[in-house]
Amino acid sequence: DTEVTQTPKHLVMGMTNKKSLKCEQHMGHRAMYWYKQKAKKPPELMFVYSYEKLSINESVPSRFSPECPNSSLLNLHLHALQPEDSALYLCASSQDRAGGYNEQFFGPGTRLTVL
Amino acid sequence: AQSVAQPEDQVNVAEGNPLTVKCTYSVSGNPYLFWYVQYPNRGLQFLLKYITGDNLVKGSYGFEAEFNKSQTSFHLKKPSALVSDSALYFCAVRDWSNTGKLIFGQGTTLQVKP
Repeated sequence: DTEVTQTPKHLVMGMTNKKSLKCEQHMGHRAMYWYKQKAKKPPELMFVYSYEKLSINESVPSRFSPECPNSSLLNLHLHALQPEDSALYLCASSQDRAGGYNEQFFGPGTRLTVL
Repeated sequence: AQSVAQPEDQVNVAEGNPLTVKCTYSVSGNPYLFWYVQYPNRGLQFLLKYITGDNLVKGSYGFEAEFNKSQTSFHLKKPSALVSDSALYFCAVRDWSNTGKLIFGQGTTLQVKP
């Protein structure tokens, strides 16, 4: 299995809602990433997990809360988001820990709309 | 600071013609360089990478890239473009200072016309 899966594909939420994004990979990768991408712009790194521990937080607001329950699963918990948080949220994984030179494999993303 | 530049927002090519998407980089030390492609409403797909060794790197879907250290460039090429190659292309370099974070260029939209 050489795939990163993300659910849901689309999510619409109000500013007071709590929701979660889910990412899964079964390639045995030990580094996992969350990115935010606006239309026609490059992805912006949010968080990196290496061996299930948070290794990078790119000064992301606390309304985004990542969680890595096990080596195959990565969640992003959302609470009290703002309309400007509407974007495509991408999950990625790579074979070794985040300091290595292996390519990252991306999921198809969750299209988030905050009303 | 490490950076990647993609000087063209858009490249237009006729089907069957060769294509080039440009990328230049600025890093301290040896660069690890990557090309990704993104089709509409999809995630990024890895095309190829340069780590060390041969300057001509071959990747997926017939793409290749040439690493040029003197010109600090890593241009993406394909001998014969297909309409299905139309997509958004990102060049990236690994950031040595921050546990392998990728630094992306701004992206180049490739439009292949029949």
